[in-house]
Amino acid sequence: TQLLEQSPQFLSIQEGENLTVYCNSSSVFSSLQWYRQEPGEGPVLLVTVVTGGEVKKLKRLTFQFGDARKDSSLHITAAQPGDTGLYLCAGNLDTGRRALTFGSGTRLQVQP
Amino acid sequence: DARVTQTPRHKVTEMGQEVTMRCQPILGHNTVFWYRQTMMQGLELLAYFRNRAPLDDSGMPKDRFSAEMPDATLATLKIQPSEPRDSAVYFCASGLVLVRNTGELFFGEGSRLTVL
Repeated sequence: TQLLEQSPQFLSIQEGENLTVYCNSSSVFSSLQWYRQEPGEGPVLLVTVVTGGEVKKLKRLTFQFGDARKDSSLHITAAQPGDTGLYLCAGNLDTGRRALTFGSGTRLQVQP
Repeated sequence: DARVTQTPRHKVTEMGQEVTMRCQPILGHNTVFWYRQTMMQGLELLAYFRNRAPLDDSGMPKDRFSAEMPDATLATLKIQPSEPRDSAVYFCASGLVLVRNTGELFFGEGSRLTVL
């Protein structure tokens, strides 16, 4: 069982559609990050959220950290083929352990 | 342009052989992580070092895996003997870990290992 569960696991949509990816846990995180990974490369950081209820926007991407700091969501507006990739949430458990725990990942394909 | 460098990018070996993967972290980062990625398990933490000292290697099979950081510019992950179930992409990442949170991790391009 993954500490961080992401849903959906796979998503294939048409260019211009909106989508939301969820990252859920029963544990509390002191912070949560979202990464995107493209084939043959390592994950690259998109955003870090720290405060419960926090919302951050990065162009067409909107990230939200749950009030209880146990969950997060990533919303993409008007998806483009360049958004295709594996989206990973990763969190610092609120235990002082300074190592990221990664979610199971959501593989997104945006068709032109 | 600072980046994490990993070698080799690809390795195919036979079961029982020794495999060594190397990582050059970004200069100035105080923490180095080794992760393993598979389709089934996703990204799993194997071990990490803070200021070159090993902090946690509980994610590694101790009997066959070892991780070291002989100096600030080199981290190694060794598998001896290798087994087919070790086939995966191994990532090294470095970061400037803060008091409360990890901060941004910078990943290398990974070492894809295939054990036949």
